[in-house]
Amino acid sequence: EVQLVESGGGLVQPGGSLRLSCAASGFTLSNYWMTWVRQAPGKGLEWVANIKKDGSETYYVDSVKGRFTISRDNAKNSLSLQMNSLRAEDTAVYYCAREIAMAHWGRGTLVTVSS
Amino acid sequence: DVVMTQSPLSLPVTLGQPASISCRSSQSLVDSDGNTYLNWFLQRPGQSPRRLIYKVSKRDSGVPDRFSGGGSGTDFTLKISRVEAEDVGVYYCMQPTLWPPVTFGQGTKLEIK
Repeated sequence: EVQLVESGGGLVQPGGSLRLSCAASGFTLSNYWMTWVRQAPGKGLEWVANIKKDGSETYYVDSVKGRFTISRDNAKNSLSLQMNSLRAEDTAVYYCAREIAMAHWGRGTLVTVSS
Repeated sequence: DVVMTQSPLSLPVTLGQPASISCRSSQSLVDSDGNTYLNWFLQRPGQSPRRLIYKVSKRDSGVPDRFSGGGSGTDFTLKISRVEAEDVGVYYCMQPTLWPPVTFGQGTKLEIK
């Protein structure tokens, strides 16, 4: 069974940093592109970033470029999202999903940016 | 960027009745490989999104056959033949054809009358 489990969320002050992780199981991570999607409270879904199977290519939504970094460790079945210079508008539940087509999702981890 | 526009945004439906959600893209979603990549997701209250339909009309494993997807080019539809209580939630269309960025519709909230 495919499982994705996010962790690392929490309360952080504006300008601070946070690193999210996504533990993958039930499939071979190195065979799939991976995705981060976020959902602000009461709002819709927003694609955040993608990373190629081997980590050689990454793509970001404009609003996080230069601040967020997506990475992966296929040997450890793990996906990460390093978030720097956080803003109030980054407050959201962050989901990791398998593939660009998002066939499988985790339960998400809440990031709150507030002073 | 491809803009995805859903309608209606709110959909009250009587149990057992059909429902239909429209999704329009600002550009054609036909890929250079000839496939059209348009997906539908359902997010039940308090849950993560779940993919229901991919490539316009292909149902994911375990999705009831009362759900069907159709359309082409820029106009797409998700239909539920007979709404059940478990279908309540927010439905999103999404295009992974012309990315980055991957884009979602605004969401359609289905509720029971």
